[in-house]
Amino acid sequence: DTEVTQTPKHLVMGMTNKKSLKCEQHMGHRAMYWYKQKAKKPPELMFVYSYEKLSINESVPSRFSPECPNSSLLNLHLHALQPEDSALYLCASSRRLAESYEQYFGPGTRLTVT
Amino acid sequence: AQRVTQPEKLLSVFKGAPVELKCNYSYSGSPELFWYVQYSRQRLQLLLRHISRESIKGFTADLNKGETSFHLKKPFAQEEDSAMYYCALKGSSNTGKLIFGQGTTLQVKP
Repeated sequence: DTEVTQTPKHLVMGMTNKKSLKCEQHMGHRAMYWYKQKAKKPPELMFVYSYEKLSINESVPSRFSPECPNSSLLNLHLHALQPEDSALYLCASSRRLAESYEQYFGPGTRLTVT
Repeated sequence: AQRVTQPEKLLSVFKGAPVELKCNYSYSGSPELFWYVQYSRQRLQLLLRHISRESIKGFTADLNKGETSFHLKKPFAQEEDSAMYYCALKGSSNTGKLIFGQGTTLQVKP
């Protein structure tokens, strides 16, 4: 299995809702990443996990809460989002942090906040 | 400061024409540079890394430290090359950070 999968594909949520995005990989990768991507813009790094521990938080607002319950799974918990948080959320993985240049990206979850 | 600049938002060429997607970087030390590609409705994927010096899908890229550039080239563009191309720089200290340029959309016309 050489893919990163993400669920759901699409998500519409109100500003008071709580939802979660899920990312999974079975390539044995020990580094996982969350990115936010706006239309026609590059991905913006949000969080990096290495061996299930949070390695980087790029000053992301606390309404986004990442979780890495095991080496194959990465979640992003969402609460009290704003309309400007609407974007494509990408998950990626790499074998190790040191090999972050070769990241395998998932297809993304398109999030709309109403 | 670590920065990647792709000066062209859009590059439009005819099929069979040469292509050069520009990328300039700012980095103190030995940079590691990459090209990622995102085809329509497909996921972002690694195309090239400068260390490997290989040709993928006919594309090559040479690191020019004097000009701080890593331009992506292909001698004869194909319609299936139409995509968004991102130049990326590996951040320092093995933090896992990839610094992406703003991207260039390549449009290959028939």
